[in-house]
Order: sequence, then structure tokens, then C-alpha cells
Amino acid sequence: DVLMTQTPVSLPVSLGGQVSISCRSSQSLVHSDGNTYLHWYLQKPGQSPQLLIYRVSNRFSGVPDRFSGSGSGTDFTLKISRVEPEDLGVYYCLQSTHLWTFGGGTKLELK
Amino acid sequence: QVQLKESGPVLVQASETLSLTCTVSGFSLTNYGVIWVRQPPGKGLEWMGIIWRNGNTDYNSALKSRLSINRDTSKSQVFLKMNSLQTDDTAIYYCTRDIRDWGQGVMVTVSS
Repeated sequence: DVLMTQTPVSLPVSLGGQVSISCRSSQSLVHSDGNTYLHWYLQKPGQSPQLLIYRVSNRFSGVPDRFSGSGSGTDFTLKISRVEPEDLGVYYCLQSTHLWTFGGGTKLELK
Repeated sequence: QVQLKESGPVLVQASETLSLTCTVSGFSLTNYGVIWVRQPPGKGLEWMGIIWRNGNTDYNSALKSRLSINRDTSKSQVFLKMNSLQTDDTAIYYCTRDIRDWGQGVMVTVSS
């Protein structure tokens, strides 16, 4: 099974600031079709997770360009610039190259 | 538009079997797989399993011995059954279509 290690667990931020979240996999997420199926979600209290980034670096429909994803192989990063109040919540990475595995989550909260 | 809705009992006794239904609309189960994910209160997301568009299934190795996923394509429904429930199976259970479309989830409490 693929293990996904997401850090940090908690991330205090000031509004307008910039943060990065890391996600590392226990094996390469490059699929045999050449794609890398690593995605990022934001979950707000009482809501289902909402897709932000798919396949490493592609912003989902309606996601502002303050969100960006990068990485390759086993190391991936989500960067959020100019943090706004609606960005607060818990972020999860998900790999779907080898079935599915979620990272443990990162809670983005105000300092 | 694509919709998924989970339904089932909100309270189940320990040692019993959980049966949940995911009713979908806006797409065919023969064209897309459906995934089950759960989330214990205050904790992270856990992938449970998938029924692929061809009807094959894959399960989380930690749950495989207790879990089965089936479907009725004519009714656009996917079924999850998990036996030998324990209190730590208390969670919100979600069904999803691929990575982008999620149901609202159903909270299931396992009582001892």
C-alpha cells in the first residue's frame, strides 16, 4: 500500500500571507500511462472535500490562481499565496495512481 | 448534473453489519467507477474501496475482510456492506465519482 505523509499537521497563517504544504509518497506516483495522479483538496467544517488541484498542478474549475501545485515522483507541494479567510480549513493530498490514499491532513488556521 | 447521495441507518449496533446505498444521477455506472471514503469525527479521510465501471472491485487492505461493494446499474445505485462493526467505525461515509464529485456524506454511529 502507498503511504502518504503530509506536513505540517497544523499551519498558522496571517491573512495575506503565503504558506506551503508538503506531501510525500512511499513510492513513485508516476502511472504507467505517464501521468501523475496527485491531487489536493480543501475541506471546510461540515462540508465534503472540494477539489482544488488535480494531477499535481492543474487548478480545478473556479479555483483562484492563489493556489498552485508542484512536484514530481514522490514529493509534492501545495502553495497558497495571499491567504484569504475562505482558505481556512483542512487540506488533504490524495494519490490515485495506486488505488487511493489520502494524506493525514493539514489544518490551516489563523495565527 | 452529476449527483451522488448516500443513505442508510444513522445508528448501528456493534458487531452488526452496515448497509449503505449511494444513489447517483447524471452519469452511468457503466461509464464511471464509484468510490467509498469515510471520515471518523475530527479525523482524516480514509479510502475504503472502489467499484470500477466494469463491476470489478478493489478494497483497502485494512478493511478487505469486512467490506463488500456491489451495484445495481439499472437503479443507478452502489451498495456498501461492512460487517463486524466496532465503535471506531463511527464516521461520515461518502461516495464519490472519481476525484471531483462527492456526495454530502452520511453520518453513521456505531453503538456498543
